[in-house]
Amino acid sequence: GENVEQHPSTLSVQEGDSAVIKCTYSDSASNYFPWYKQELGKRPQLIIDIRSNVGEKKDQRIAVTLNKTAKHFSLHITETQPEDSAVYFCAPSRGGSYIPTFGRGTSLIVHP
Amino acid sequence: SQTIHQWPATLVQPVGSPLSLECTVEGTSNPNLYWYRQAAGRGLQLLFYSVGIGQISSEVPQNLSASRPQDRQFILSSKKLLLSDSGFYLCACTGSSETQYFGPGTRLLVL
Repeated sequence: GENVEQHPSTLSVQEGDSAVIKCTYSDSASNYFPWYKQELGKRPQLIIDIRSNVGEKKDQRIAVTLNKTAKHFSLHITETQPEDSAVYFCAPSRGGSYIPTFGRGTSLIVHP
Repeated sequence: SQTIHQWPATLVQPVGSPLSLECTVEGTSNPNLYWYRQAAGRGLQLLFYSVGIGQISSEVPQNLSASRPQDRQFILSSKKLLLSDSGFYLCACTGSSETQYFGPGTRLLVL
């Protein structure tokens, strides 16, 4: 099965700084690369995703970049705010299987 | 868009008691359905998934079972709960895309 690793496991930044979380995967057939955000006590929710035919996607302060050759994709958050504090999960999957493998999560703490 | 309902929101059960958690989905047909468990401060563990009525795949052997009696209903059960069954149980679905939509979850505490 797919091997997924997220780094770092914890990330602490000051408000206004940028944050980058990296996800590496092992299945070269993976072609869907989402990032989910889970606030404390809440359900995970999709914040951004990318498919293998695109290298980068941006949505306001968040972006995802994909390096298929190296088998990793990253979440970038600029101008972080306290409300960005949450656990972020990557969950790559291959088309047709609909069985994602979730990373272990990265706890992002944004200090005001 | 999909809406997922889960109940109950919170449950406290004694060790050895049975369990039944229900999940229903609105806004999509023929969804893939999933049960996840999340221990405190941990990641998401996929327990079961279903691609259709009566079709259940188990990812982790344990004392839990799942059933899908209707297209948009997914039930997680146990005959005898263990202390280690405590956690946050999340139901999820995918429709026409691979994006996972999660329900609000059930917090289970086994004492």
